[in-house]
Formats: sequence, structure tokens, C-alpha cells
Amino acid sequence: DQQVKQNSPSLSVQEGRISILNCDYTNSMFDYFLWYKKYPAEGPTFLISISSIKDKNEDGRFTVFLNKSAKHLSLHIVPSQPGDSAVYFCAARDAGNNRKLIWGLGTSLAVNP
Amino acid sequence: NAGVTQTPKFRILKIGQSMTLQCTQDMNHNYMYWYRQDPGMGLKLIYYSVGAGITDKGEVPNGYNVSRSTTEDFPLRLELAAPSQTSVYFCASNGGQTGGAEAFFGQGTRLTVV
Repeated sequence: DQQVKQNSPSLSVQEGRISILNCDYTNSMFDYFLWYKKYPAEGPTFLISISSIKDKNEDGRFTVFLNKSAKHLSLHIVPSQPGDSAVYFCAARDAGNNRKLIWGLGTSLAVNP
Repeated sequence: NAGVTQTPKFRILKIGQSMTLQCTQDMNHNYMYWYRQDPGMGLKLIYYSVGAGITDKGEVPNGYNVSRSTTEDFPLRLELAAPSQTSVYFCASNGGQTGGAEAFFGQGTRLTVV
């Protein structure tokens, strides 16, 4: 049973436009949410996170929004660049289970020039 | 600052062989993890450790063993390799209870069992 769901396996966006990646979760014990970016043949790298007590966190071109009542978060990338093409993983920290990270299956983003 | 280092990067094993995937981190992190990623799939947790001397099973522990004798090292052992263990393996660490949520990953080990 997936506690963290990324329902879109892939997304294609034009360079310069906004990319929106979505993530839904079911466990209300999650206290932190994180986005990771992964290029082929490399390990995932941390992108941005948000605490469950916040509703927005911004870092340059990347903004994460959290809607706790809907158990939904999204990552916005503006403007999108070809170098953003990668697989993006949503992860959640389970405060009720040794603070383990629970992962979504990823969304493959392609930014077309 | 090396972060999380995994070795080897690539390995081909024959069915029934054994091997150890090495992982070391220099960030004094309490928590360490082993994940596997199959093609087109997300990260599945094999084993994790919340500190030296403590290990716990994740989602897919069968066929693997781990040990955590020091804070820095968290090796993953495959005793009798099977084709189903063909995957990319990632080691990660984070501060756990006292540190931040952000986990740092190694570069991965691509394992093929033939």
C-alpha cells in the first residue's frame, strides 16, 4: 500500500514554462516532505523540503507547496530548463516510525528546448 | 567532503555467488539505509540502521544481510545471489532523530546476476 503516491509517471514541458510535479500521501504522521532529483547512473540528490507546519517553501526556481488538509504537495519549477530533465522523487519522513523516509515511485520530467 | 561512498560501482555475479556492497559516510550520521531501484520503479528499502549496533528490516530484506559495527560503515551482504537481485543499489544516510530530514545518497552500485 503506497503511502506516498506520484500518480504521473512522466511529464513533458517546454523550456521556459512551468513544471508542476504532484505528490499525494496518506499518513498524517509525516512531518517532513522532500523532493529529490535523479539523473541516470547517479544517486538521488536533495532538491528542496518542507516541514508539515509550513505551506510553502521557495528556493530559487523551485517552490514546494503543501496542502495538509488535502494531503497533497507539489513542486513547481519556474522557468523550466533542459537541465531539469530528470526523475523527481517525492519522499516523506514518518515521525511515527523511526523517522524513516517513505518514497514515491518518481515522475520523469522532460524539458524540451 | 566525500559524503556517502559506495563500492563497487558495477559488478556481475553468477547465480549462487556472494558479495558485499560497501558503504561509508563521513558526516557522522546516525541513520543509514540500503535501497534497491529496479527499472522503472521507485526506491525500495532493504535494511536500515538507526545507529551502530542496531539494524532493522525494510520492505524487501530477503536474500540480504547487514551489519553496523561503526557509525561510518554499513555494508550489505548478498549470500546466494539470484537473478531477482539484479538491480541498482543505493546507500544513504541522514541525521535521523537528531539531525535533518535530508538524506544523502551514494552514487549507486549496478549489480547484474547471471
